[in-house]
Amino acid sequence: TQLLEQSPQFLSIQEGENLTVYCNSSSVFSSLQWYRQEPGEGPVLLVTVVTGGEVKKLKRLTFQFGDARKDSSLHITAAQPGDTGLYLCAGEDNFNKFYFGSGTKLNVKP
Amino acid sequence: DSGVTQTPKHLITATGQRVTLRCSPRSGDLSVYWYQQSLDQGLQFLIQYYNGEERAKGNILERFSAQQFPDLHSELNLSSLELGDSALYFCASSVGVGNGYTFGSGTRLTVV
Repeated sequence: TQLLEQSPQFLSIQEGENLTVYCNSSSVFSSLQWYRQEPGEGPVLLVTVVTGGEVKKLKRLTFQFGDARKDSSLHITAAQPGDTGLYLCAGEDNFNKFYFGSGTKLNVKP
Repeated sequence: DSGVTQTPKHLITATGQRVTLRCSPRSGDLSVYWYQQSLDQGLQFLIQYYNGEERAKGNILERFSAQQFPDLHSELNLSSLELGDSALYFCASSVGVGNGYTFGSGTRLTVV
């Protein structure tokens, strides 16, 4: 049983489209991270959100932490082929332990 | 370069053998985490060390063990290897709560 559920599992879109990836849990987290992983490489940290309701923007990426700190979303505007990869969310408990979602595999076609 | 160094990058070995994977955390990070990633299972947490002491254990098999040395580097030992142990093994380090992980580039283990 995954503590964090990500949806969708797979997403294939055309360049220029917008998309949203969701990360949901019944547990409360002290912080939540989003990572992007390319094949054969380690996940790379994109953002950390800490406060309920927090919104962070990273160029075309917008991250939101739910008010109750149980869920999060990642929105990408005008997706580009370079955004292709596996997007992982990870919730952190009070003991600095992280729980990873199963990931959303994004493919952006030129 | 993330600052977390993992060696070797690739490892091919036979069933029943034992291997050691090595990780040097980012400078200043006291916590080291080991994860296993296989195609159908996502990132599975194995074990965490903090400043030389075991802090948390995940789904780590009894055939696997790890340690963190005084210089903070860590080793993951995998013994009596089985075909199903073939996976990417990642090490990550963290400076503390709320700061996220920095991952190494992983060791790809293939058991034949």
